[in-house]
Amino acid sequence: DAKTTQPPSMDCAEGRAANLPCNHSTISGNEYVYWYRQIHSQGPQYIIHGLKNNETNEMASLIITEDRKSSTLILPHATLRDTAVYYCIVRVANAGKSTFGDGTTLTVKP
Amino acid sequence: DSGVTQTPKHLITATGQRVTLRCSPRSGDLSVYWYQQSLDQGLQFLIQYYNGEERAKGNILERFSAQQFPDLHSELNLSSLELGDSALYFCASSVGPREGDTQYFGPGTRLTVL
Repeated sequence: DAKTTQPPSMDCAEGRAANLPCNHSTISGNEYVYWYRQIHSQGPQYIIHGLKNNETNEMASLIITEDRKSSTLILPHATLRDTAVYYCIVRVANAGKSTFGDGTTLTVKP
Repeated sequence: DSGVTQTPKHLITATGQRVTLRCSPRSGDLSVYWYQQSLDQGLQFLIQYYNGEERAKGNILERFSAQQFPDLHSELNLSSLELGDSALYFCASSVGPREGDTQYFGPGTRLTVL
């Protein structure tokens, strides 16, 4: 699986958009980009994933660059409950395991 | 609530002992994954089962073993426990090993080895 690079921490004001970047310059053509978050010591929570196109769901938007070497997770209106560690993962299709890096600790401040 | 259940929530035991962690996947999911999260190592993939058969192996110690039963629940067995085995153990499930397959995580079992 390709390695990802994320900033260790970010702050965001409540109500503003949180933009979390991820570099995955060695991603291969059949690898998906996944985003999870983990609040305290709870189980990681799936947020969104994509292959080439930008994706949006009720939680977030995922913007993948045309060369697929980086992506950005966007939380459109961050709340205090969005404070968590956010993991960007790239995973080979048809392979089960996910390699989690250190993630980005997002702190949403009032 | 992801639909994945894990028992027990907490487990405290002594070095040298053996424990069994249990995971029930989401209804309809055939794949089960086990992960270990310790303070100094982050989330580490241990092993994956699909429909009863081992499919992928990660950094799983020989002292650890797992299996998936016909009803699709899974158990992770940890033996000859050491202090360093203290960690959160997460189970995840997915429909199956197909493209874009999403894993959903359970709440975890916190193991403390004294």
